[in-house]
Amino acid sequence: GQNIDQPTEMTATEGAIVQINCTYQTSGFNGLFWYQQHAGEAPTFLSYNVLDGLEEKGRFSSFLSRSKGYSYLLLKELQMKDSASYLCAVRDSNYQLIWGAGTKLIIKP
Amino acid sequence: GAVVSQHPSRVICKSGTSVKIECRSLDFQATTMFWYRQFPKQSLMLMATSNEGSKATYEQGVEKDKFLINHASLTLSTLTVTSAHPEDSSFYICSASWGTEHQPQHFGDGTRLSIL
Repeated sequence: GQNIDQPTEMTATEGAIVQINCTYQTSGFNGLFWYQQHAGEAPTFLSYNVLDGLEEKGRFSSFLSRSKGYSYLLLKELQMKDSASYLCAVRDSNYQLIWGAGTKLIIKP
Repeated sequence: GAVVSQHPSRVICKSGTSVKIECRSLDFQATTMFWYRQFPKQSLMLMATSNEGSKATYEQGVEKDKFLINHASLTLSTLTVTSAHPEDSSFYICSASWGTEHQPQHFGDGTRLSIL
């Protein structure tokens, strides 16, 4: 079967750095996406990785290792507004998007 | 860019009512639109995928006759929840993508449906 694993919940301090991990087992791989979802709102696109390595976009970076079936989202200089759920999603060989359950990130002052 | 508009944002109605939700891509042509539902504190669940001008592909367990999807143009898809019951109460979200497989899905703001 296809599976995306990410921690259920993480807590971090304002101004700090946090890394949210995602591991996947899917039938084929055609890219990995990270989305942010605030409570009661729809997800918003953060990043896309299809090749190994680090993609940096402002305070957010995303890393991919296809051989390990592993990705992480790195958030720097955390702000209170970063409190949200972070969803990892993998596109499989049929170009279907397989979603993780999301990681709820709690930022404390 | 890549704005997806979903309407209405909230619906409260009586059991047995049919509810139509619209999803529009405002600044791009959406070759594919997706409909999800999400229960509180749970992950997104894909209901169906629709391509313009063709029938929607429903996920296993999703009733085609209950959740009618129409994707009549490259900018509009509709989801109609027919004869809604309290168990259909959920957060329904549409998304749209275009072009190559490398494009992300862009989401509408969602519709919170409450059936009394």
